Amino acid sequence: AQSVTQLGSHVSVSEGALVLLRCNYSSSVPPYLFWYVQYPNQGLQLLLKYTSAATLVKGINGFEAEFKKSETSFHLTKPSAHMSDAAEYFCAGGGGSNYKLTFGKGTLLTVNP
Amino acid sequence: DSGVTQTPKHLITATGQRVTLRCSPRSGDLSVYWYQQSLDQGLQFLIQYYNGEERAKGNILERFSAQQFPDLHSELNLSSLELGDSALYFCASSGPGQGADTQYFGPGTRLTVL
Repeated sequence: AQSVTQLGSHVSVSEGALVLLRCNYSSSVPPYLFWYVQYPNQGLQLLLKYTSAATLVKGINGFEAEFKKSETSFHLTKPSAHMSDAAEYFCAGGGGSNYKLTFGKGTLLTVNP
Repeated sequence: DSGVTQTPKHLITATGQRVTLRCSPRSGDLSVYWYQQSLDQGLQFLIQYYNGEERAKGNILERFSAQQFPDLHSELNLSSLELGDSALYFCASSGPGQGADTQYFGPGTRLTVL
């Protein structure tokens, strides 16, 4: 079965610190991987997506993610956290002939001043 | 703003009732997806339509049904509602190809069943 696992349901960082949100996927997940962000009381906004063109993917708001096939990982990073980054982040896999997105459980990011 | 619209934003109803959630996809998108977000189950795929035809089904209950109309808007019908159906329901759209591409999400409809 397809699965996407996000390690850590809650990550807390200080403003200006590195943000690292972890995502691992099962090998049965189709080749497209995504990170979405959900701000309180809002829908999901696409941060970035991997479609095999490049292993390092740059997204919006200074986020990037690296696809590592050998580790089946797609971790999200940002060099310097900002207060406005506080939100819930979802990793998802899907694409190609498999239409649905399979989501991880989400990681709530808290940024402390 | 993703370009996907959903109405209503909030819905409060009683057990046993029936409700309809509406979604309008982004201009030009042919695929519409429905997802349910709840605290215990997380984000779960319910169903997908492509250009009016059902394409894929996920964890959708028999009490739930959906359709996509010729103008490509979609409706999700939830009947015989139970307390456990309280959740955020998202619609997403992608396209115009048949293969899943980036899905753009609407703001969601928060359903509360009392």
